[in-house]
Amino acid sequence: DQQVKQNSPSLSVQEGRISILNCDYTNSMFDYFLWYKKYPAEGPTFLISISSIKDKNEDGRFTVFLNKSAKHLSLHIVPSQPGDSAVYFCAAEYNNNDMRFGAGTRLTVKP
Amino acid sequence: KAGVTQTPRYLIKTRGQQVTLSCSPISGHRSVSWYQQTPGQGLQFLFEYFSETQRNKGNFPGRFSGRQFSNSRSEMNVSTLELGDSALYLCASSLVGGARSPLHFGNGTRLTVT
Repeated sequence: DQQVKQNSPSLSVQEGRISILNCDYTNSMFDYFLWYKKYPAEGPTFLISISSIKDKNEDGRFTVFLNKSAKHLSLHIVPSQPGDSAVYFCAAEYNNNDMRFGAGTRLTVKP
Repeated sequence: KAGVTQTPRYLIKTRGQQVTLSCSPISGHRSVSWYQQTPGQGLQFLFEYFSETQRNKGNFPGRFSGRQFSNSRSEMNVSTLELGDSALYLCASSLVGGARSPLHFGNGTRLTVT
């Protein structure tokens, strides 16, 4: 059961522009959401998170938005840099149970 | 501070065999989780161990098992290997587990079953 979905397997943007990665979830019990970034041949690394009591969290060039009514979250990267090229995973959890990950979106930032 | 270490990096096994993967968490981290990554499926949760006890388990058959030692190091075992078990297996550690304590992943073990 794919409770966390990333419907875009890939995204390509120009350097300096905004990257928007989307994630949808089906379980309304999820109360904490995270984004991880993965480079080839490396494990995922934590990027940013948001609690369900918030609708926005910002960390430098990265902002995560949460729309609970739509069960949707998004990651905005502004401005995008070539080093941001990686696979981005959305993850969700509730009540400290196992974390559910999406299938990932491959972001390519072109110089 | 050393990161999460997984050994071996690559494994090739044949159907029916068994395999054991090893994970050494970051010092001080007591929670260790295992994930299977396959193309198009993202990261599928296998199980989580905390203080030598399995705390959570994903929807994988009993052929997949694990354990955690008193020093928090963990092993994962897959018996009677099938072709579909070919994947990248990732181990992650965190201080106490749960999303509020972000996961630190190792670089994974790439298992190929022929």
